[in-house]
Amino acid sequence: GAVVSQHPSWVICKSGTSVKIECRSLDFQATTMFWYRQFPKQSLMLMATSNEGSKATYEQGVEKDKFLINHASLTLSTLTVTSAHPEDSSFYICSAPRGREQYFGPGTRLTVT
Amino acid sequence: SQELEQSPQSLIVQEGKNLTINCTSSKTLYGLYWYKQKYGEGLIFLMMLQKGGEEKSHEKITAKLDEKKQQSSLHITASQPSHAGIYLCGADKPSGTYKYIFGTGTRLKVLA
Repeated sequence: GAVVSQHPSWVICKSGTSVKIECRSLDFQATTMFWYRQFPKQSLMLMATSNEGSKATYEQGVEKDKFLINHASLTLSTLTVTSAHPEDSSFYICSAPRGREQYFGPGTRLTVT
Repeated sequence: SQELEQSPQSLIVQEGKNLTINCTSSKTLYGLYWYKQKYGEGLIFLMMLQKGGEEKSHEKITAKLDEKKQQSSLHITASQPSHAGIYLCGADKPSGTYKYIFGTGTRLKVLA
């Protein structure tokens, strides 16, 4: 079956630094990928839609300058958390659709100290 | 935008008991998915429902889709501690980019 990977799976960074998270579709091409965020004991919240060859579409309330998304190729989307703060600590998951199915990455746990 | 409301928000049951989780959409459902997850871990796909009245089962978990009510229910029979986790329903739009959203989530704890 289709596989989506994320890297890193776990990262700790200092406040004020930037962190890049990669999402790759391993055996299929994805012109669109999605980024989600999850806080403890809460559901996944859609942050943005990553579009290959064009700008990402952000959901209401998500800061574009804070969460930079680049869909570099048909198999790679990156999410960069800029000037990270402790409140950015969260679990980030990406997904890529293939036909009508969504394939989810294993997630990245970000801790900002 | 479409909202998916799950109920209950959290649930604690004794092992062996049956339970039901509901997912209600504010808009027409064209496809409804159920996942299980533990915070900090990936999603485990349970099942997908596409047609009104459709019912699917996976081991002791059964899900049903009621298109008219814009609702899906997930039923667990004879719950076990291994069923504990967060249950999420998900839905996509009928066309376009298949933007995918999740329900508010239901946290299940099963007491041994």
